[in-house]
Amino acid sequence: GQSLEQPSEVTAVEGAIVQINCTYQTSGFYGLSWYQQHDGGAPTFLSYNGLDGLEETGRFSSFLSRSDSYGYLLLQELQMKDSASYFCAVATLSGGYNKLIFGAGTRLAVHP
Amino acid sequence: DAGVIQSPRHEVTEMGQEVTLRCKLISGHNSLFWYRQTMMRGLELLIYFNNNVPIDDSGMPEDRFSAKMPNASFSTLKIQPSEPRDSAVYFCASTRGQGGHEAFFGQGTRLTVV
Repeated sequence: GQSLEQPSEVTAVEGAIVQINCTYQTSGFYGLSWYQQHDGGAPTFLSYNGLDGLEETGRFSSFLSRSDSYGYLLLQELQMKDSASYFCAVATLSGGYNKLIFGAGTRLAVHP
Repeated sequence: DAGVIQSPRHEVTEMGQEVTLRCKLISGHNSLFWYRQTMMRGLELLIYFNNNVPIDDSGMPEDRFSAKMPNASFSTLKIQPSEPRDSAVYFCASTRGQGGHEAFFGQGTRLTVV
């Protein structure tokens, strides 16, 4: 089966940097994605890592270490609008098809 | 493109009734995922399709749940009979190719079974 672990809650102040970690156990690992979900909204795609290393997209960066089964999402210059839940998701390859399994999510609260 | 479209947005029904949730994929996408989200269990993958064919339905909780994809752009998730524990937000999401990492989600259907 698959399992993903991420912290349930993180609190930070505006302008700060926060890192949300994700560890996973799965067979057929293909890549790690990150999604953002505001209350009452739908998950939206933020970033993907298929290979080891850092991917940067504006204020957000994501990192993957396949050997450690570990990744993180780094949010810089935090803004109030970044208050949301953040999910890591593993893409696993099975029978030639990918499926996405989500972690339980990390609720980020950004304070003034 | 209008994105992934789900209907209805909200559904309130009585226990024992049949519920049908609908999803229209983004044009050109050929993988479709159904998820259920609750506070207790998070985002659970129920079933996914590729090119209209169900690939993995191991997440479907019970025989009361069924899903179909009659054509390349449309899918339904049916619960019959519904129970209060089925209350949740149901999302469908689509991707290009044989599944993938960038999934586009619909706005969800909030189902309440009373």
